[in-house]
Amino acid sequence: DGGITQSPKYLFRKEGQNVTLSCEQNLNHDAMYWYRQDPGQGLRLIYYSQIVNDFQKGDIAEGYSVSREKKESFPLTVTSAQKNPTAFYLCASSSQGFGYTFGSGTRLTVV
Amino acid sequence: AQSVTQPDIHITVSEGASLELRCNYSYGATPYLFWYVQSPGQGLQLLLKYFSGDTLVQGIKGFEAEFKRSQSSFNLRKPSVHWSDAAEYFCAVVLNTDKLIFGTGTRLQVFP
Repeated sequence: DGGITQSPKYLFRKEGQNVTLSCEQNLNHDAMYWYRQDPGQGLRLIYYSQIVNDFQKGDIAEGYSVSREKKESFPLTVTSAQKNPTAFYLCASSSQGFGYTFGSGTRLTVV
Repeated sequence: AQSVTQPDIHITVSEGASLELRCNYSYGATPYLFWYVQSPGQGLQLLLKYFSGDTLVQGIKGFEAEFKRSQSSFNLRKPSVHWSDAAEYFCAVVLNTDKLIFGTGTRLQVFP
């Protein structure tokens, strides 16, 4: 079945450490997105990519980085520059803005 | 600024009662409109979407939504709520930038 796979489901980061969240899709969607979810704030866009080898900053890109070397993959790195990384991270993909599919999320906690 | 507003942070209803969740958007043109539902610790599931045409849209799980251009609204409704509907609901819009912009969500609690 087609869908989006996010891994890991839970991730723990030490202070000052970079971590990478994985997002893979087999839907042949061109566009992929990363959102951060905090209680009471809804989902905020971190980065998005509409084609391979190209991506744009969303509303809260500081402290994050991404790459889009393959159509199927859009990994998100949470760098040490992100001062408050504890959150729920959701990856999504879409086909021309008509249909969005979401992964099941990664919960990142700083320890 | 472009925005999506869900004015109700938390709503509580009794099982079997009707439900309306409000959503307003602020854009110059009519965007594509979506409602998603999220269970705790899970991803988002699409309930319904509006692109054009009939302004009353039917979705899954017995939900419907009505687009009202004059009010810039896209409210979600269900005639009879079930305990399994307890979740968080998000309204979202897409304009020509192809970015999905979310409201802050409404948490629905259902009492037996």
